[in-house]
Amino acid sequence: DAKTTQPNSMESNEEEPVHLPCNHSTISGTDYIHWYRQLPSQGPEYVIHGLTSNVNNRMASLAIAEDRKSSTLILHRATLRDAAVYYCILRRYNTDKLIFGTGTRLQVFP
Amino acid sequence: NAGVMQNPRHLVRRRGQEARLRCSPMKGHSHVYWYRQLPEEGLKFMVYLQKENIIDESGMPKERFSAEFPKEGPSILRIQQVVRGDSAAYFCASSPPTTGTYEQYFGPGTRLTVT
Repeated sequence: DAKTTQPNSMESNEEEPVHLPCNHSTISGTDYIHWYRQLPSQGPEYVIHGLTSNVNNRMASLAIAEDRKSSTLILHRATLRDAAVYYCILRRYNTDKLIFGTGTRLQVFP
Repeated sequence: NAGVMQNPRHLVRRRGQEARLRCSPMKGHSHVYWYRQLPEEGLKFMVYLQKENIIDESGMPKERFSAEFPKEGPSILRIQQVVRGDSAAYFCASSPPTTGTYEQYFGPGTRLTVT
């Protein structure tokens, strides 16, 4: 399974945009880029996923580099509720399990 | 539509006892996954099941652990003769019947403490 690299932690102030980076230099053509987050004492929660093109949904945006070796999860206006561990995961098409790394712990300050 | 349900939310067992963790997937979901999160660590895949079938158990410890997803009823993760190292949060996730890149929906987890 291709590996992802994320910073251990990041900080943001409330209502500011947050850009969470992820490197995946060994990504293959059939790997989808998934993001999940885990709030304290809760199960992981799906955020967004993409293959090649940038993606937007109600929670976040996903910007994927042209060579697909990196991606960035963008929270447009951070809230206190966005404080969580964010996991960037490569998932090969038609595979089942998610391989979680250590993720990025995001702190949001009022 | 209720989310993934897990029970119990907290479970305390003495060493050597059995632990049974239950997971009810979202309505219409026939794929179930179990993950384990040891204290201060990331989540590790354990097993993937469809109704009455184990599809991938590559993350299951070879001994004492078993999982099932019967035709009727919840999925069960069973740990026999628990040891202190089994203390962890166990999360269940479910997804729709079609394969592909569909997201997994996670339950709130069962926190197992072995004393």
